[in-house]
Amino acid sequence: GAGVSQSPRYKVAKRGQDVALRCDPISGHVSLFWYQQALGQGPEFLTYFQNEAQLDKSGLPSDRFFAERPEGSVSTLKIQRTQQEDSAVYLCASSLAWGSPEAFFGQGTRLTVV
Amino acid sequence: GESVGLHLPTLSVQEGDNSIINCAYSNSASDYFIWYKQESGKGPQFIIDIRSNMDKRQGQRVTVLLNKTVKHLSLQIAATQPGDSAVYFCAEIPNTGNQFYFGTGTSLTVIP
Repeated sequence: GAGVSQSPRYKVAKRGQDVALRCDPISGHVSLFWYQQALGQGPEFLTYFQNEAQLDKSGLPSDRFFAERPEGSVSTLKIQRTQQEDSAVYLCASSLAWGSPEAFFGQGTRLTVV
Repeated sequence: GESVGLHLPTLSVQEGDNSIINCAYSNSASDYFIWYKQESGKGPQFIIDIRSNMDKRQGQRVTVLLNKTVKHLSLQIAATQPGDSAVYFCAEIPNTGNQFYFGTGTSLTVIP
């Protein structure tokens, strides 16, 4: 497809379980972003990549959160030992160039920790 | 850190009327201000942006106004349609980085 693809769309995890969320950006887009969106709130920045380099991870809430983009294309957001407060929609976005105001978002992965 | 907030959480307008959605920001050092639209169950969708050295920009049925003096951003939607019903977020890109910072959002409901 032509858009940003995220999988899975929905994930239910037991507390303490590790999860991995996948993002396929638009081909050729160098910037990739991860956001966390709680119900009724705006997206909160987690981290971003320029190609394979993770340039800013200041938004990751704890060291249980880890993101990678090893070949500068697909990215994975991993959450270890999930907790209830991790329940949210995780959004991935990509943009063509650094500093571009137009980012293309995927539909998100809704994570529910029970 | 940056702070982008909205004046009103909800807005209802009659179909065909014009809509105005407002946003206040606190970080003066931003390159871009952007409006995104998010429909239920979908990711945010880019609407329009404005550079910090501009005060007005027009798109198709939308106009964004930037008042740097009072740190205020607004989105005007002309002839609002039912398909415009969504949550609207303002966002900014600081001149020190590449990431977007979003506000809480305004829920727009268009009444047929």
